[in-house]
Formats: sequence, C-alpha cells, structure tokens
Amino acid sequence: DGGITQSPKYLFRKEGQNVTLSCEQNLNHDAMYWYRQDPGQGLRLIYYSQIVNDFQKGDIAEGYSVSREKKESFPLTVTSAQKNPTAFYLCASSIEVGGEQFFGPGTRLTVL
Amino acid sequence: GQSLEQPSEVTAVEGAIVQINCTYQTSGFYGLSWYQQHDGGAPTFLSYNALDGLEETGRFSSFLSRSDSYGYLLLQELQMKDSASYFCAVRTTNDYKLSFGAGTTVTVRA
Repeated sequence: DGGITQSPKYLFRKEGQNVTLSCEQNLNHDAMYWYRQDPGQGLRLIYYSQIVNDFQKGDIAEGYSVSREKKESFPLTVTSAQKNPTAFYLCASSIEVGGEQFFGPGTRLTVL
Repeated sequence: GQSLEQPSEVTAVEGAIVQINCTYQTSGFYGLSWYQQHDGGAPTFLSYNALDGLEETGRFSSFLSRSDSYGYLLLQELQMKDSASYFCAVRTTNDYKLSFGAGTTVTVRA
C-alpha cells in the first residue's frame, strides 16, 4: 500500500537535546513538507522540499533543520535552539508543490 | 504574507447542513483547498477550487468566489463521523505552497 509513514508516534526528550523525526513516503511524490500543529491551532509550515537535494524554509523554520538526500525520505531535526518544541508534527507529500497533500499519522513530541 | 479567517467552532445536529466560511487575503491567489482532521489524526484532502463556482463531492461541496476572496465548505446530511476540524488552505502563485487557516471544529450532536 502506498502512503506516508512517520515514526515514532510519541516521542519524549529532555530539554537541550536534538531529536530527529522520521518521514518516509512511497507515493513517488516530488514535494514533501513538515508542519507543526499546536493545540486548537492550524498547521504551520516549517520546511518544504520540491525535489531531492533542495529544500526551502517555511514560516517557522527557526530551530529546525531538514535534509532531502532521497526522494522517499525527509527527516526533520528539532534542535535545542527551538524554544518551544513540544507539539504535534505532521509530514506530508504531494506530486508537486501546492498540490493535494497526503499526510502521515504525525509524531507527538514532548520535551520535558 | 497570507491570512485566512474561518469560524473557530460550529455545532449542529445529525442530518443538518453546515456551512464553513473562509475569507482570505493573499498576494497571488492560485486556489483554495479544504482538509478534514479528526482529533489526533492526519488531515485528509476534501476538495480544491481554482475557479469560481461550486464543486460537489457527495455530501460535501465547496464554493469559491475569487472576486470576494471568499470560499465555503458545505456539509450536508451531517453524520456523527463528520465531527472533526476543517481547514481551508490557500495556494499562492509566488511559491505555490499552501497556507492553512486555524481550522473550524464541527461538533455533530444526536
């Protein structure tokens, strides 16, 4: 079955530690995205990638980093510079930037 | 930048009709999308309007007026499973990425 996987579903980290969230897709989509969602709020774009080896900052990129070495994978690192990292993180992909997006199940990160 | 406004909450009974409005301000409009998200789940795509008019997909319809910078999602014959958050999202011509509204929580009561 084609789709997007994110792991783990729940993640706990101590303050000051970097953490990497996984996102894999087998839909053969060129574009991939990372969003952050806080309780009762919409999705805010962190980073997006239109193609392998290319990525662009979204609206709230500070304290985050990404890589796109393979078409299928778009990992997100939450660094210790992110002041308020506890949130629900959603990865998505689309055939092209701005097209219909398919979302993964999300990773709920809690920083203690 | 872009800004989108939609109501924060709507409550209705089973079988009713609900309309969720979305007004937007953006430099360079390409299209308006709607996504549904059940509590704790992944958003799923519902509809996309690039041209003025009504798009119907089963019980859900979406409308766009580009001149009014306005769209709406119409949910008909409401069912309990329609209780969810609904987000409008604007696709812009400058970078083509989506900007999401804050979402409308729809609660369906028996």
